[in-house]
This record gives sequence, structure tokens and C-alpha cells, in this order.
Amino acid sequence: EAQVTQNPRYLITVTGKKLTVTCSQNMNHEYMSWYRQDPGLGLRQIYYSMNVEVTDKGDVPEGYKVSRKEKRNFPLILESPSPNQTSLYFCASSPRSRVDTQYFGPGTRLTVL
Amino acid sequence: DAKTTQPTSMDCAEGRAANLPCNHSTISGNEYVYWYRQIHSQGPQYIIHGLKNNETNEMASLIITEDRKSSTLILPHATLRDTAVYYCIVKFNKFYFGSGTKLNVKP
Repeated sequence: EAQVTQNPRYLITVTGKKLTVTCSQNMNHEYMSWYRQDPGLGLRQIYYSMNVEVTDKGDVPEGYKVSRKEKRNFPLILESPSPNQTSLYFCASSPRSRVDTQYFGPGTRLTVL
Repeated sequence: DAKTTQPTSMDCAEGRAANLPCNHSTISGNEYVYWYRQIHSQGPQYIIHGLKNNETNEMASLIITEDRKSSTLILPHATLRDTAVYYCIVKFNKFYFGSGTKLNVKP
């Protein structure tokens, strides 16, 4: 089944404790992206990647890192999480020729205390 | 990028057509109109997109006015599972999900 998977789905952590949210897709898509969703603010793009070893900042990249060493994986790294990064996070992927018809993962709900 | 305006919420009876409007009066000639939906806290789901011609797929139809300043997403026979937030997006360089329209499909 074609899908985007994220792990963990739920995470509660404390300020300053490094964490990684994994994202994997099995559709051989070139394009992958991370979003965060907050009440009243809609979805905002954090980072995106057009292909392996190519990443770019989105609208709200501060406090986040990403890497794209393999085509299928696009982990989101929070080196020193803070409470304002408490949010619902979505990973998405699409073929490079159709970056706007994205497949989204199920979401990761992160709480930073 | 063009901004979009959608009603905050709409109701629709199950089995009837749901018509969701979107205004994008500042759209430029090369900007597409996209529709996504998000069922409670799940990942958004792509529905349909178009440039200037009307489009139809297995999920919905998209009607774009001739001046391209507005569009309507049509779900021909709404079911309870279509209850979701529907996002109208106009994008050239950047994708922006706004607040969308909360569609409530009622029995």
C-alpha cells in the first residue's frame, strides 16, 4: 500500500531534550516536506526537499533541522525543543512533477513541557 | 501569491450535493487552484486542482469561473465521511493552507 508513515505518532518530552520524528514513504517520491499545524494558524511549512541531499527552508524553519540521505526518508530533528514547538506535525511527499498533489502522513502530536 | 477566502463553515444533508465556494480575486494567470481536505486531525488529502477549465475526478468536480476570480468544489453526493475541513489553495511558488471551510454533513 502506498503510504507515508511517521513515528512516533504521539510524543511528550521536556524542554531541551533532543528528538527526531521519522518520516518514510514507499512511493519513490522525490519531493518531501514537513508542516506544523496550530489552531488558528493553519498548516505552515517547516522544510522541504526536492531530492536526496537537497533541502530548503519553508516558512517556519527556526528550531528545526532535516536531512535527506535517502530518497524514502526525511527525518525532522529538534535539537533543543521548546514549548512553542508543541504542535501537530505532518510529513508529506509527492512526485517531483506534481509537488502540489501531496500525500500526507498521519501526523505526529508533539508536546514539549 | 493569491489569497483565498472561504466561508468558515457549511452544512449539507447526506446524499445531497455539497457546493463549497472559494474567492481568489487576486489570482494571476499562471496560478492553479487546489483543493484539499482534512478529516479531524488526520493528514490533509488532495482532492482536485485546475487552472481554468472545469475538472472532474472520482472524488469531486471543480468549477472555475471564466474570470478565474472564484471557484466551487462540488461533492455530488455527500456522505457522513465527507465531514471535514476543506482547503482552497492558490499557489504559484508557495503552498499556503488557510483556515478552510468546515463542512458538516448531517443525516
